[in-house]
Amino acid sequence: SQQGEEDPQALSIQEGENATMNCSYKTSINNLQWYRQNSGRGLVHLILIRSNEREKHSGRLRVTLDTSKKSSSLLITASRAADTASYFCATRGRGATNKLIFGTGTLLAVQP
Amino acid sequence: GAGVSQSPSNKVTEKGKDVELRCDPISGHTALYWYRQSLGQGLEFLIYFQGNSAPDKSGLPSDRFSAERTGGSVSTLTIQRTQQEDSAVYLCASSVDRGAAQETQYFGPGTRLLVL
Repeated sequence: SQQGEEDPQALSIQEGENATMNCSYKTSINNLQWYRQNSGRGLVHLILIRSNEREKHSGRLRVTLDTSKKSSSLLITASRAADTASYFCATRGRGATNKLIFGTGTLLAVQP
Repeated sequence: GAGVSQSPSNKVTEKGKDVELRCDPISGHTALYWYRQSLGQGLEFLIYFQGNSAPDKSGLPSDRFSAERTGGSVSTLTIQRTQQEDSAVYLCASSVDRGAAQETQYFGPGTRLLVL
């Protein structure tokens, strides 16, 4: 399977705490993206980091990428109950295809 | 439209029947993708249409699965002789696909398929 892996599989934190999720992948990539999914339905794009970038910020989100270890992390700071969702990383390989390979996801529960 | 739409939202069918799932991409988006998500799992790539090019069918799990994209817009995913293991949420996404490697895919709400 080409699918990446994420850990932890599930994470429960209190509102206001930070949440960190990790993603590992298997092949060389062009970019890595993080998506959020509520209630098992459509995904929403959060942030994209290119293979030549090491860190990127967007609001309360911070993403890091280590291509030597084929891994990425997503940090959500000052979490809110509304951040409760599943979070997936997805990688776009090198070459002409725009196909994304998704990780297995982390289920985040933020307790109010 | 404002976003990617899919129909039906839910579909219950009997084993052995054929089903058709529809996706309307965002207007102007030339790339369209189908993914499958089984319960509690990540997304599995199925097929990718890019403009007038031949589709990338490398993710289709068996020859019971096929997809068409008519007129470069609406797409239909067909599953023939459905099996219980086909039960999943089928997600469609589209992107502008100007050839840039940094494009975001916009997802529809999905069709939840249950095969009894």
